[in-house]
Amino acid sequence: KAGVTQTPRYLIKTRGQQVTLSCSPISGHRSVSWYQQTPGQGLQFLFEYFSETQRNKGNFPGRFSGRQFSNSRSEMNVSTLELGDSALYLCASSLAPQEPGNTIYFGEGSWLTVV
Amino acid sequence: DQQVKQNSPSLSVQEGRISILNCDYTNSMFDYFLWYKKYPAEGPTFLISISSIKDKNEDGRFTVFLNKSAKHLSLHIVPSQPGDSAVYFCAASDSGGSNYKLTFGKGTLLTVNP
Repeated sequence: KAGVTQTPRYLIKTRGQQVTLSCSPISGHRSVSWYQQTPGQGLQFLFEYFSETQRNKGNFPGRFSGRQFSNSRSEMNVSTLELGDSALYLCASSLAPQEPGNTIYFGEGSWLTVV
Repeated sequence: DQQVKQNSPSLSVQEGRISILNCDYTNSMFDYFLWYKKYPAEGPTFLISISSIKDKNEDGRFTVFLNKSAKHLSLHIVPSQPGDSAVYFCAASDSGGSNYKLTFGKGTLLTVNP
């Protein structure tokens, strides 16, 4: 079955712009979480959505937001882009909310470059 | 504050030898630990996990050891193969917390030389 699909894979934006990234989870998975990966900070948790509700949130400014639709697809939005937002944004899905023993499956990520 | 630390950014080993990747954590509430492997241009994939009630978990060539008193875990790969070359992320969580989430380290790039 298809894995986690993220679009777009690569994009370049200018400082001050906003960006929307999309994630389609594995069929049947209802939990979607987002992570930011940068060389200096590794993988950092952004937020998790389950059944269209934000279940958990990491330590990121309010410029980072997300939502989940009734079909479990999720989008994340970053407004007023800064150079430091350049990163690989990873989406992960799981059947149920994240909990021990519940494996999460990552997509290939969306590479965002802010210039 | 980095709660999960992988102090070695990179590690190089010969094919057939043992690879040992280390991870330290500072949050004493962490009780569930995982290792993920990531190839370039791909998302991380789950490798192996361990609960704090155990000190060892084995899956084929991969074994994870947990030393709770030292707040340290390690991943052993024996024997190492060139296909194991990837970035390895250690992750930890507090299963009793109200907002369960994974906290990742910065990763260690493993290179297995033929």
